[in-house]
Amino acid sequence: GENVEQHPSTLSVQEGDSAVIKCTYSDSASNYFPWYKQELGKGPQLIIDIRSNVGEKKDQRIAVTLNKTAKHFSLHITETQPEDSAVYFCAASRSDTGRRALTFGSGTRLQVQP
Amino acid sequence: SQTIHQWPATLVQPVGSPLSLECTVEGTSNPNLYWYRQAAGRGLQLLFYSVGIGQISSEVPQNLSASRPQDRQFILSSKKLLLSDSGFYLCAWSVPPTGRSSPLHFGNGTRLTVT
Repeated sequence: GENVEQHPSTLSVQEGDSAVIKCTYSDSASNYFPWYKQELGKGPQLIIDIRSNVGEKKDQRIAVTLNKTAKHFSLHITETQPEDSAVYFCAASRSDTGRRALTFGSGTRLQVQP
Repeated sequence: SQTIHQWPATLVQPVGSPLSLECTVEGTSNPNLYWYRQAAGRGLQLLFYSVGIGQISSEVPQNLSASRPQDRQFILSSKKLLLSDSGFYLCAWSVPPTGRSSPLHFGNGTRLTVT
């Protein structure tokens, strides 16, 4: 089955700096890679996703890059703000089965220092 | 728009007691439904998924079971809770498979503490 590894487990940055979170996956058939943000006591919320036919996707201060050959993808947050502080999860899934469940990384706790 | 409801938000249960967590989805038909568990400071582990009424697939052998009595209702149960069942339980839905993968949409979870 799929295995997703995520680094770092914790990340502290100053407000205004950039933050980068990296993930690797093992199943070459995976073709969908979402990122979730989880605030304390809440369920994860989708913030951006990328499909395997695209190398990069951007949404305002958030961007995701995908390297299919190396089987890794990254989340980039620019101009970080205190409200970006949360736990971020990467995930992967494949579309060739009805299961469509996501396999998650172990999460990154991002702390943005004001 | 679609919404997902999960209850209760928190639950404290003694070891050996039964469990029933409920999840309902509104605004969509025939969704895929999922139960995940999140241990403290850990990632999300898939427990069960369902592609239709009465169709349940278990990902991890354990003390829990799931049922889908109605199209948009998903229930997580246990006959006798163990201490190791403590955690944050999340229900999620996605659109049914039609080709491209789609995101999962999560509820706000139930924090279960088994004492």
